[in-house]
Amino acid sequence: DQQVKQNSPSLSVQEGRISILNCDYTNSMFDYFLWYKKYPAEGPTFLISISSIKDKNEDGRFTVFLNKSAKHLSLHIVPSQPGDSAVYFCAAGTSGTYKYIFGTGTRLKVLA
Amino acid sequence: EPEVTQTPSHQVTQMGQEVILRCVPISNHLYFYWYRQILGQKVEFLVSFYNNEISEKSEIFDDQFSVERPDGSNFTLKIRSTKLEDSAMYFCASSRDGAGNSPLHFGNGTRLTVT
Repeated sequence: DQQVKQNSPSLSVQEGRISILNCDYTNSMFDYFLWYKKYPAEGPTFLISISSIKDKNEDGRFTVFLNKSAKHLSLHIVPSQPGDSAVYFCAAGTSGTYKYIFGTGTRLKVLA
Repeated sequence: EPEVTQTPSHQVTQMGQEVILRCVPISNHLYFYWYRQILGQKVEFLVSFYNNEISEKSEIFDDQFSVERPDGSNFTLKIRSTKLEDSAMYFCASSRDGAGNSPLHFGNGTRLTVT
């Protein structure tokens, strides 16, 4: 039962352009969403989050958009840099619970 | 910046042996978690722990698994009798508040290899 899905296993983008990573969820009880970046042999690193009361949250080069009616969120990275090359995971949770469900990840490659 | 630390970074064990994976969460965090990632697959939730008891656990977290916070700083995951399919990266995480309110901060993981 995949409640959080990232349908693109990989994405390649030119340096300086926008990277758009997508995530879909099925559980309407989710009200808090996060994006993580993961390098090989390291743990996931928190990037940015969004609560369901918002539809956009921005932090520097990273912006997360939430479309609750479509149960879809996306992470925009502008401008993309070679150091952004990593696997990106979205995760979803529900207030009052004690776990986040992770998507399967999208491998981003930023080409110099 | 405070971080979650995990030891060992790599553990090799024989099938049927017990292993203990150790974690030191961020000091002012109250919620603790174990996740695992089998090579190339998704990051899977195992268990969460708050106020010295398990808050939630997945179907993966069966009777072979246990968690403990023995001394107020360490958080451990024990696998009683390891199986080949337990081979994975095990990540410890902590958060200030529960899910839905604050992000998880992860350690760099322990790679468990069961032979």
